[in-house]
Amino acid sequence: AQTVTQSQPEMSVQEAETVTLSCTYDTSESDYYLFWYKQPPSRQMILVIRQEAYKQQNATENRFSVNFQKAAKSFSLKISDSQLGDAAMYFCAFHNAGGTSYGKLTFGQGTILTVHP
Amino acid sequence: DTAVSQTPKYLVTQMGNDKSIKCEQNLGHDTMYWYKQDSKKFLKIMFSYNNKELIINETVPNRFSPKSPDKAHLNLHINSLELGDSAVYFCASSPNSREADTQYFGPGTRLTVL
Repeated sequence: AQTVTQSQPEMSVQEAETVTLSCTYDTSESDYYLFWYKQPPSRQMILVIRQEAYKQQNATENRFSVNFQKAAKSFSLKISDSQLGDAAMYFCAFHNAGGTSYGKLTFGQGTILTVHP
Repeated sequence: DTAVSQTPKYLVTQMGNDKSIKCEQNLGHDTMYWYKQDSKKFLKIMFSYNNKELIINETVPNRFSPKSPDKAHLNLHINSLELGDSAVYFCASSPNSREADTQYFGPGTRLTVL
């Protein structure tokens, strides 16, 4: 079974600064997908970024980028130029690419990000 | 237009009651899911349906019964509610279950059992 671990229960950052959220996972599969979801106080789950394990290039979406280290099974999220609206709980999630996964996402415990003005 | 909607958003009820949560998606997706987020914010999948067929059932107590009347709707019925059922329940959908498509989540239903 896959497990996802977010070792930072809480992080904080000053507005306009950069912060990195950590995620490690454990799997015996070679083909899979990784996601970061954001959950603001409104509790809506919003996709931030996604990475396919077969791609060596790290995914980027505007101010959000990942550092995907497949051998180390590490998938960190970097938020540049942090904004007040980035304050939320961030979840790392894993999806096995195999046909029997049926869309099952396995989530980490979450990291609460506070952004200070 | 809301892509994935859930009703109600809040539900407060007494132990032992039976309640339902409804979910609808207008994205034309084939696959829908129910997740439970507990008081520690941990999210775990409960069920998944693909084209009205159950494909994931994650050892959820049989007091929980999902029903999919069509591929745009996935409802969750809970019998004999217990205190431990208090949580936020999220519905989600994705284009299909065969690939790791992005899942789109509803706004969640906060269930409080007294």
